[in-house]
Amino acid sequence: EDKVVQSPLSLVVHEGDTVTLNCSYEVTNFRSLLWYKQEKKAPTFLFMLTSSGIEKKSGRLSSILDKKELFSILNITATQTGDSAVYLCAVNTGTASKLTFGTGTRLQVTL
Amino acid sequence: NAGVTQTPKFRVLKTGQSMTLLCAQDMNHEYMYWYRQDPGMGLRLIHYSVGEGTTAKGEVPDGYNVSRLKKQNFLLGLESAAPSQTSVYFCASSRGREETQYFGPGTRLLVL
Repeated sequence: EDKVVQSPLSLVVHEGDTVTLNCSYEVTNFRSLLWYKQEKKAPTFLFMLTSSGIEKKSGRLSSILDKKELFSILNITATQTGDSAVYLCAVNTGTASKLTFGTGTRLQVTL
Repeated sequence: NAGVTQTPKFRVLKTGQSMTLLCAQDMNHEYMYWYRQDPGMGLRLIHYSVGEGTTAKGEVPDGYNVSRLKKQNFLLGLESAAPSQTSVYFCASSRGREETQYFGPGTRLLVL
């Protein structure tokens, strides 16, 4: 059975801090790993990673994949209160683009 | 360009009632999906479709049916609602098998 595990479950930081969110996986037929941000409604897409060791970056957010060790990290630097959300990691196993999700990391950024 | 839309936003049902959730996308995507999200469980795939007229079961299909009569629409039906189906339902679509999935705003369903 495909499995995606995220850690920590929740995190409270002060504005300006840097955070690292973790995602490990055990799946058959890995195709890609995706990160989503979920505030009150729909998950919104952040990154898709397919190749090991290549960092994807968007502003203060960055992510990298290690296919040998089967994990990914999402980094957020200089956090802001608007970064408060649940961050979801999902793995695409290629079977009709089926996504297996982790349970998410809830990040709260305080002033 | 609205992306993925879902109706209704919120619904309360009594046990045994039926209802249909509608998902529509205007991105001409081939693939569409229905997920449910429960506390501590993450998002789980209910059913999906790889094109107009096709449907397939996901991880948790029991108690649900789907139809994809038009490419832009994907319907999720509950024939006889149960309290265990209380959840937030998300629809998603993607251009192809290994493409990014884009999510709708969700439907909150409460079954009493």
